[in-house]
Amino acid sequence: DARVTQTPRHKVTEMGQEVTMRCQPILGHNTVFWYRQTMMQGLELLAYFRNRAPLDDSGMPKDRFSAEMPDATLATLKIQPSEPRDSAVYFCASGFGGNYGYTFGSGTRLTVV
Amino acid sequence: QKEVEQNSGPLSVPEGAIASLNCTYSDRGSQSFFWYRQYSGKSPELIMSIYSNGDKEDGRFTAQLNKASQYVSLLIRDSQPSDSATYLCAVNLRGNRDDKIIFGKGTRLHILP
Repeated sequence: DARVTQTPRHKVTEMGQEVTMRCQPILGHNTVFWYRQTMMQGLELLAYFRNRAPLDDSGMPKDRFSAEMPDATLATLKIQPSEPRDSAVYFCASGFGGNYGYTFGSGTRLTVV
Repeated sequence: QKEVEQNSGPLSVPEGAIASLNCTYSDRGSQSFFWYRQYSGKSPELIMSIYSNGDKEDGRFTAQLNKASQYVSLLIRDSQPSDSATYLCAVNLRGNRDDKIIFGKGTRLHILP
């Protein structure tokens, strides 16, 4: 089964440290989304890419978050510096766009202490 | 602010009965709609997509769309304990710059054995 691979699965870090999360989309998928999920806010859209070009990152705190897609097999989400309020599960999802749905990765559970 | 609204639940349904999950959305330009199932501690899994008014059936699941009322629903027939999960409604806001998928906060469904 094709799947979206996210690393690491879990990350505990101290406030102020840099965190990088990685996503390998399903081969051939041209659209990649980054979401953050918390109990209070649910799934929040952070950024997304089509054919590696960033389309919208308005959901991200620009001063500390950055998202890139250096090649078709890798998307990254970086937080620098991290804060306790960034603690959440971060999901990557990939797909073909349009009326097709998207496949989610297993997520990265981030805890900032 | 474009929104997707769902009743948070929990919705308790006896085993074998029909579970009905509802979702409303604010953006009339929305093009396609998705239902995802999320088990506790797991990632969202796509179960249905719909983009035309009316009903779409897939096994025990039926998605219903009414664009005039900005309303999407999911019916689960012959509910099973394994259907107990959080159901997320997602909407594709087709804007000038392509797809933008936003989610409701989900409805927790509990099937009573």
